[in-house]
Amino acid sequence: DAGVIQSPRHEVTEMGQEVTLRCKPISGHDYLFWYRQTMMRGLELLIYFNNNVPIDDSGMPEDRFSAKMPNASFSTLKIQPSEPRDSAVYFCASSLYRGEAFFGQGTRLTVV
Amino acid sequence: DQQVKQNSPSLSVQEGRISILNCDYTNSMFDYFLWYKKYPAEGPTFLISISSIKDKNEDGRFTVFLNKSAKHLSLHIVPSQPGDSAVYFCAASGYGNAGNMLTFGGGTRLMVKP
Repeated sequence: DAGVIQSPRHEVTEMGQEVTLRCKPISGHDYLFWYRQTMMRGLELLIYFNNNVPIDDSGMPEDRFSAKMPNASFSTLKIQPSEPRDSAVYFCASSLYRGEAFFGQGTRLTVV
Repeated sequence: DQQVKQNSPSLSVQEGRISILNCDYTNSMFDYFLWYKKYPAEGPTFLISISSIKDKNEDGRFTVFLNKSAKHLSLHIVPSQPGDSAVYFCAASGYGNAGNMLTFGGGTRLMVKP
């Protein structure tokens, strides 16, 4: 397996634009996580899914953020409209129950 | 409120010596702990874990120690190698549904000098 695949690796967008980040988890993993890494807050969990169903989205910062998992092999994190303070590295990870999470390489988002 | 803390932002060690990275937690519901290593421009990669029913877990050069009464865990790397230079994150998870939610510490940057 190629591991968790995220796209794009880098995204630069203007304030107010919509941004969509994509993730393909490892085949067979039941859980998918979206994390955000910033200098101020470190690695923080935004939302996670179990069997494609959102379980906990308490980490999603505001209504501008939304995440979907239409099937077991694909998830998106959308920011609409984007703001400069959303600039961060966004990681997707997947795991089996209580197993260690495997992370993708991340998407570095810059909102100017 | 940081539930998992790594109080040392950086650590410098000579090659061949022991590296000790520390982590403290506050949530008594945490029962599973993990260490991740992260290189620049890459995602964190799993290193080693420990369940709360144990106080030590060893994997090659890496050993994790857990002191539940002190709510403290540490990662020992012996001997340290230049390739170990990376940011190390401590993570913890709790019971039930929370068992899959990892709470991360802020990370410690380890530099192993040749």
